[in-house]
This record gives sequence, C-alpha cells and structure tokens, in this order.
Amino acid sequence: KAGVTQTPRYLIKTRGQQVTLSCSPISGHRSVSWYQQTPGQGLQFLFEYFSETQRNKGNFPGRFSGRQFSNSRSEMNVSTLELGDSALYLCASSLVSATGFMDTETQYFGPGTRLLVL
Amino acid sequence: DQQVKQNSPSLSVQEGRISILNCDYTNSMFDYFLWYKKYPAEGPTFLISISSIKDKNEDGRFTVFLNKSAKHLSLHIVPSQPGDSAVYFCAASAKSRNAGNMLTFGGGTRLMVKP
Repeated sequence: KAGVTQTPRYLIKTRGQQVTLSCSPISGHRSVSWYQQTPGQGLQFLFEYFSETQRNKGNFPGRFSGRQFSNSRSEMNVSTLELGDSALYLCASSLVSATGFMDTETQYFGPGTRLLVL
Repeated sequence: DQQVKQNSPSLSVQEGRISILNCDYTNSMFDYFLWYKKYPAEGPTFLISISSIKDKNEDGRFTVFLNKSAKHLSLHIVPSQPGDSAVYFCAASAKSRNAGNMLTFGGGTRLMVKP
C-alpha cells in the first residue's frame, strides 16, 4: 500500500501571501489530521477531518483552515502568511470504522511540506 | 501547559546496549500512547503503541511499558543499533466516540547510538 503523500515538498512564500498544501491519505483511511512542527513549539495539532467534516481543531488562528474531499484527500490553507508560519507541515491518516468510532488510533504520517516564509 | 513531557532532550548509548526513553503525561484522559521515530525533514515513523488496558507491548527489539498510576511510559530498544539514531517522540490521545483523533506530542528525545 502506498503511504501518505504530501505535495509540494518544499515551498517558499512571502509575508502576506496565502498557501495551499495537499495530502493524500493511505488508501482506505478516512481520517486526516494536520500538524505543524517548529523548533520552538514542537509538533502541534492543527485539525482533523473525517467524512469531509472538521472533527477536531487545535489552538491555531483562523488563518489556518482545511477541508477534506469525498475521496478523503485533504488540503490545508494558510492565509496572510507570517514569518512565524515557517515550519514543517505534516499530514497523518488513520483508519476509522464505519461507525466513526476509532478502531485504531494509530496515525501514519506523510513526509511533510517544508514552508519557508520570507 | 505541556501534557506530554520527555524530560531528556538527548541520550547516548553504545551499540548493542539497551536504550531507554522516558515519557510522562499529566492528562488522565489519555488512553492510547504511541512512539514515533523521526529523521530531520521527514515525517514521523510509527514504531509501537500501547492501550491503557495494557502495561506492556512488545514488537521485536522495541518494548513499551506503561505505568498508569505514575502516568509514565518508557520505550526500551534492545539491542540498540546505529540505525536507531534519530529523534523519538512520545504521543498520547484520548479516545472518544466521534470526538476525533488528536495526538499530543512530547518534545522529543534525540537518541545517538555509538558503534
């Protein structure tokens, strides 16, 4: 089975711009979560999507948003970029049972998108 | 408030010996714990997990121990190999029906295995 894929792998933007990152989960996985990794704050949860609905949200400003499509692929968007948004953005997918209850909580991560804001 | 803590930022071990990485948590709602291994500029790789109904889980060279009363878990790697050198993250989640799946990570421990 192919793993989680993320595009693009690297991105350079300037302050004030907006950016969209893409994530394709492992086939059959219905939950997609996004995380931000920075040297200062470590790995922090952004949000999670399941069945095209945001089910959980971390403590990030509204400039960070996401969505999930019917094929479980997900995108996250950051508007009005700030220097502090420079980070490794990681996507993770996990298997969810048809009832929506977690039958396995293990999240498998993609390689990440390295975003640099100048 | 850090709910998951890895108090040792780094650990150096000789090849062939045991590596023990520790993790403490404060949220008693956490009921599922995972260890990930990470190389720079790559995504974390899942290693092993443990549910709160167990106190030990083994997978090859990796064993995770959970002490719920102390809110402490540890990862044992035996024997350690140079290829194990990486940053190890402990993560925890609180399983709840339809409440979503959110991992809270510790700050990581850099393991260096010397040949």
